[in-house]
Amino acid sequence: DTGVSQNPRHKITKRGQNVTFRCDPISEHNRLYWYRQTLGQGPEFLTYFQNEAQLEKSRLLSDRFSAERPKGSFSTLEIQRTEQGDSAMYLCASSLARGQGNSPLHFGNGTRLTVT
Amino acid sequence: GNSVTQMEGPVTLSEEAFLTINCTYTATGYPSLFWYVQYPGEGLQLLLKATKADDKGSNKGFEATYRKETTSFHLEKGSVQVSDSAVYFCALTNYNYGQNFVFGPGTRLSVLP
Repeated sequence: DTGVSQNPRHKITKRGQNVTFRCDPISEHNRLYWYRQTLGQGPEFLTYFQNEAQLEKSRLLSDRFSAERPKGSFSTLEIQRTEQGDSAMYLCASSLARGQGNSPLHFGNGTRLTVT
Repeated sequence: GNSVTQMEGPVTLSEEAFLTINCTYTATGYPSLFWYVQYPGEGLQLLLKATKADDKGSNKGFEATYRKETTSFHLEKGSVQVSDSAVYFCALTNYNYGQNFVFGPGTRLSVLP
């Protein structure tokens, strides 16, 4: 178990640029989640995948945000035309779900985005 | 919808003091409840969980009991250590109402030697 890996750890970009983050979940986990966390707040749900299928998206996920998990392994989160309000920590988590019920999430260390 | 409310921090305690961090939730049906901890510079880690009413989750001296009648899942520890200084998040997931986990805002704990 090598844990959930996120890259890059930090990203500084100028307003209007596109950015892409990568998440490598724990290898046997079939569910992958993206969350956003701002200072002093708890993680806010963005979207999740079961294998390669994106099954749920939050209303927080505007049209500028897109996530993929093409082979049911790693995932990417892209933000187009970044805005200063996108500055946050982006967290990835994975879990192993069997049938009904939710197993706990295992989080990566996050990618901190700063939009200048 | 599902939501979690936590007591506001920061909480500052002396070493060996008793800790309680309150958490209450709003959810339809029977959610599973969790406490996560985030140490400085690290990612969120699962601390403990409970999946049905009256279950008690425990780990590293921390405990929390799932109280459906009061919709609460308060975190307790009898004697805190400096190494317990962290941010604590209460969370729930409700299988029949979506697969996402809902987190509270977090409570920062500082333990002084």
